[in-house]
Amino acid sequence: GAGVSQSPSNKVTEKGKDVELRCDPISGHTALYWYRQSLGQGLEFLIYFQGNSAPDKSGLPSDRFSAERTGGSVSTLTIQRTQQEDSAVYLCASSFFNEQFFGPGTRLTVL
Amino acid sequence: TQLLEQSPQFLSIQEGENLTVYCNSSSVFSSLQWYRQEPGEGPVLLVTVVTGGEVKKLKRLTFQFGDARKDSSLHITAAQPGDTGLYLCAGAGGSTLGRLYFGRGTQLTVWP
Repeated sequence: GAGVSQSPSNKVTEKGKDVELRCDPISGHTALYWYRQSLGQGLEFLIYFQGNSAPDKSGLPSDRFSAERTGGSVSTLTIQRTQQEDSAVYLCASSFFNEQFFGPGTRLTVL
Repeated sequence: TQLLEQSPQFLSIQEGENLTVYCNSSSVFSSLQWYRQEPGEGPVLLVTVVTGGEVKKLKRLTFQFGDARKDSSLHITAAQPGDTGLYLCAGAGGSTLGRLYFGRGTQLTVWP
């Protein structure tokens, strides 16, 4: 398929452990976004990559959160020392113009 | 600070009823989009409106962009259970080029 893919689809971890979430955007899309969505809530912006520009990190909730995008394609969102309040669905989206195409998300549960 | 305010947050109606969802801001956007999200999936784009005063229709869904490009509405006629989902509006043209600013969404449930 040519859509946005994310892995893993589900992740259960223990409080204090680090986790890495992966996003494979649509080929050719220059922009990549990470969002967090708690149960029944809207989208909380985390970080935005556009081409070779410096990423917009203004939505990252703490310094435990970081993300990188290698080669302008795949992106990894890393959460260090996870806390229970980090439990949510993490959505990735890519775009070429304004329309964002979303992946199915990674459901993170921190016990 | 939420740039886009959506109302209502929750809406529960019977099949066949009409409804309107609102998306308001004090900021001007170059375009505004509406997405729908179903459980376990990512949001999917329904429509993009660009011109102030623009009205777009998608079957039973009517989208309107305010004249000043600060607000938008989504009207659904004769709602069906298949319309159930989270409706999100998103504005483009804020302070960060290329970024979309999402509202918190309206959770719509249509009962048969």
